[in-house]
Amino acid sequence: QVQLQESGPGLVKPSQTLSLTCTVSGVSINTGGYYWSWIRQLPGKGLEWIGSIYYTGSTYYNPSLKSRLSISVDTSKNQFSLKLSSVTAADTAVHYCAAGIWGGVRPVVPNWFALWGQGTLVTVSS
Amino acid sequence: EIVMTQSPATLSVSPGERATLSCRASQSVNSNLAWYQQKPGQAPRLLIYGASTRATGLPARFSGSGSGTDFTLSISSLQSEDFAVYYCQQYNGWPSLTFGGGTKVESK
Repeated sequence: QVQLQESGPGLVKPSQTLSLTCTVSGVSINTGGYYWSWIRQLPGKGLEWIGSIYYTGSTYYNPSLKSRLSISVDTSKNQFSLKLSSVTAADTAVHYCAAGIWGGVRPVVPNWFALWGQGTLVTVSS
Repeated sequence: EIVMTQSPATLSVSPGERATLSCRASQSVNSNLAWYQQKPGQAPRLLIYGASTRATGLPARFSGSGSGTDFTLSISSLQSEDFAVYYCQQYNGWPSLTFGGGTKVESK
């Protein structure tokens, strides 16, 4: 079955760049049909969609994070990655990678998230 | 950005009873709403999409309804494994996908 697994540093210093990778198994990222996504959960709070990428390289970013955000895909490794620059303590969160689905609602973008990784906590602190 | 508001924040229900969770959107999202369940230490799990379509394998005791701005997730006969936090998420307001703040369903 399809599985997603996040990896990356658990501690990042303020003003630096948060970098995470999601390794996908059970399906090729090249297959299409999924929007490979990042979602975060701030401590004790709800969920925030960060952004998504299609295997073609098309990206979809949360407008509130767009200026600091980069999501890329490496089809040869069946991975996709997140980079969030100029982080502050407010970026401390559990970060999930997920597989988004387009359900037919125009525009053609991720609608809901069918599969999730286990999540990884990234703390921003000096 | 469309703001999603869930109520109540905490719902205390006895096993076997019915649970009714609400989600309200700040503007119409048509039927473009999903529900997720999250247990402690776990990732969210998709339950419902299109406001009322159950995800594969989801027990029939879970049902979603509503359209426009007001939505409901019902669990007809609460089982022990259903105690969790539930989130709604809209996907009508592109370029932003937004989640509600969650409702915790706890044992009474």
